[in-house]
Amino acid sequence: AQKVTQAQTEISVVEKEDVTLDCVYETRDTTYYLFWYKQPPSGELVFLIRRNSFDEQNEISGRYSWNFQKSTSSFNFTITASQVVDSAVYFCALSEALIGVTGGGNKLTFGTGTQLKVEL
Amino acid sequence: NAGVTQTPKFQVLKTGQSMTLQCAQDMNHNSMYWYRQDPGMGLRLIYYSASEGTTDKGEVPNGYNVSRLNKREFSLRLESAAPSQTSVYFCASSRQQNTEAFFGQGTRLTVV
Repeated sequence: AQKVTQAQTEISVVEKEDVTLDCVYETRDTTYYLFWYKQPPSGELVFLIRRNSFDEQNEISGRYSWNFQKSTSSFNFTITASQVVDSAVYFCALSEALIGVTGGGNKLTFGTGTQLKVEL
Repeated sequence: NAGVTQTPKFQVLKTGQSMTLQCAQDMNHNSMYWYRQDPGMGLRLIYYSASEGTTDKGEVPNGYNVSRLNKREFSLRLESAAPSQTSVYFCASSRQQNTEAFFGQGTRLTVV
């Protein structure tokens, strides 16, 4: 069975600090996808990034960057120069192919989330 | 473009009552999902529908049923609500295998 571990339950930082959110996963699949979602206080889930298991290049999008290391089964997320608006719960998720299904669907397994609080 | 729309946003039920949570997506996605979110437990998959006409159990299906009414709509039914079903429920959809899922705004359900 797949598993995603986000060991950091809560992180507090002061604005402009850099912060890294850890994600460790377990899967027997050779092909899989990893995701990060953000859940702000308003409650909706916002997609941030998708990464497949064959692409270990790091990715940067503005202040956000992701470090995928297959050797350690980790997919960590760094926010540079954090801002108050970054305060949210962040979820890492792993995609499992739906067996016997053609044409669609991925079953996402989520971690328990990391609550990030950015204070002035 | 509304994306994924869930109704209602809030609901209070008495133990034993039944209700249906509605979900519709306008993105022509093949797959739809129902998750529940509980404190400290992340999101857990209740049921999913990989494509129109198919449904299957997820991680926590007991006490729930689903209907994929058509490609757009996927409803979740609680036949006899229990306090353990107090949770926030999210509907989601995805275009195809291993693409990102888009989520509705959530339904906060309290069973007393």
